[in-house]
Amino acid sequence: SQELEQSPQSLIVQEGKNLTINCTSSKTLYGLYWYKQKYGEGLIFLMMLQKGGEEKSHEKITAKLDEKKQQSSLHITASQPSHAGIYLCGADPFNAGGTSYGKLTFGQGTILTVHP
Amino acid sequence: SAVISQKPSRDICQRGTSLTIQCQVDSQVTMMFWYRQQPGQSLTLIATANQGSEATYESGFVIDKFPISRPNLTFSTLTVSNMSPEDSSIYLCSVEAAGLPTDTQYFGPGTRLTVL
Repeated sequence: SQELEQSPQSLIVQEGKNLTINCTSSKTLYGLYWYKQKYGEGLIFLMMLQKGGEEKSHEKITAKLDEKKQQSSLHITASQPSHAGIYLCGADPFNAGGTSYGKLTFGQGTILTVHP
Repeated sequence: SAVISQKPSRDICQRGTSLTIQCQVDSQVTMMFWYRQQPGQSLTLIATANQGSEATYESGFVIDKFPISRPNLTFSTLTVSNMSPEDSSIYLCSVEAAGLPTDTQYFGPGTRLTVL
C-alpha cells in the first residue's frame, strides 16, 4: 500500500522566517497534492504536482516534486500568522494502467505555528 | 475548481443512533469520495461514491456501517449507522473536478461528529 511520511510533525517559527515541510512516498506517484487544514475544518487545496522536477508557486508558498516523483517539499517564504495550520500531503499512486483512481493516501500532517 | 458544501457542519449524537451527512457540489463531477479523519489523525478513505451503482468500500469499511447514496452527479450522502464513541471524527467528502492541466481533488468543509 502507498505510504507517505511527512516531516517534521510540528514546526514553530517566528513570523518572517522561511520554512520547509517534506513529504516522502514509498512508491512512484501519479500525483502529489498539498492541502492546508485549519483545526477541525475542511481541506484547502494548495497545489498539485504531477511531473518529475515540477515546481509550482502560489503567493509565498512553493512546492516541488523530485525527478523520481517520490519526494516533495513545501516551502513557505517569510511566514505569517495566516500560514498557521496543518499541512497535509496526499498521494495519488499510479495504478496498473498508468492512470489515476483518484483515491488519495495522506501523510500524518505537519502542524505549523507562526508566532507574531 | 469545485465548490462543495456539507450538511450538517457538526453534530452531537447519542450512541446507537444514525446520522446522515449530505454533500452537494456546484457542478457535475464523475468521482466523489468520502473520507474520515479521527481526532489527531490524518485522513482515511472510506469509499468511492458511484453514481447509479453501489459504493466501492476500502478495506475496513462496510456498507452496513457506512451506507452511501449517489443519486446524481452533484450529490451524495454518507450515513454513519449505529454510532459508537469511536465514530467521533470529521467526515469529509471530496470530488475530482476538471482542472488545467489535470483534474484536481477538492474537499468539502467537513462534518464534525461527536458521539456520546
